[in-house]
Amino acid sequence: DIQMTQSPSSLSASVGDTVTITCRTSQTINNYLAWYQQKPGKAPELLIYAASSLQIGVPSRFSGSGSGTDFTLTISSLQPEDFAAYFCQHSYSIPITFGQGTRLEI
Amino acid sequence: EEQLVESGGDLVQPGGSLRLSCTASGFTFSTYWMSWVRQAPGKGLEWVGNINQDGNGKNSADSVKGRVTISRDNAKDSLYLQMNSLRAEDTAVYYCARIAWLQLSWHFDLWGRGTLVTVSS
Repeated sequence: DIQMTQSPSSLSASVGDTVTITCRTSQTINNYLAWYQQKPGKAPELLIYAASSLQIGVPSRFSGSGSGTDFTLTISSLQPEDFAAYFCQHSYSIPITFGQGTRLEI
Repeated sequence: EEQLVESGGDLVQPGGSLRLSCTASGFTFSTYWMSWVRQAPGKGLEWVGNINQDGNGKNSADSVKGRVTISRDNAKDSLYLQMNSLRAEDTAVYYCARIAWLQLSWHFDLWGRGTLVTVSS
């Protein structure tokens, strides 16, 4: 199974800050990586797919990059609604796995 | 509006069985792969399994293999998860999710709100 190492596990930031979350995989996955946002008590929502493609309707302050084994999610100019948990997910092989999550807090 | 609505979650005793349902609306259900993803209380996301458009292709996680069956009824726009021999560690919110493909990469582009399964005596 491909292991996903997401860091940091939690992150404190302020409105207007730029933050970066990292996801590292135990083997190359090309660009088969997605990022999700989850707010408390809600279902996850897709932000980024294929490592860097922005899902329709997601604000442009969210961006993804990377290929191979190292990937990043960057959120520029943090807004109050961005404080949530974030997960990465690969789809390179079965079983697909998720990162353990990053909790973004004020 | 595209929507997925799960149902069937309940409190069940260890060793028991449960069938979850997911009803789709607002899109052509029969043209999509579908998946179940679960989340234990306070924990991360865990993929449970996938099913292809006609129901003849399935994958599941080792943690549930042999204990769960994923099925679908395209005439009813519905996805199902039959769970048997339930264990305490199966306690989770179970999400139904739609799979979107981009070349060989896929991701979950639509999620339901989830249904809670609690396994406890």
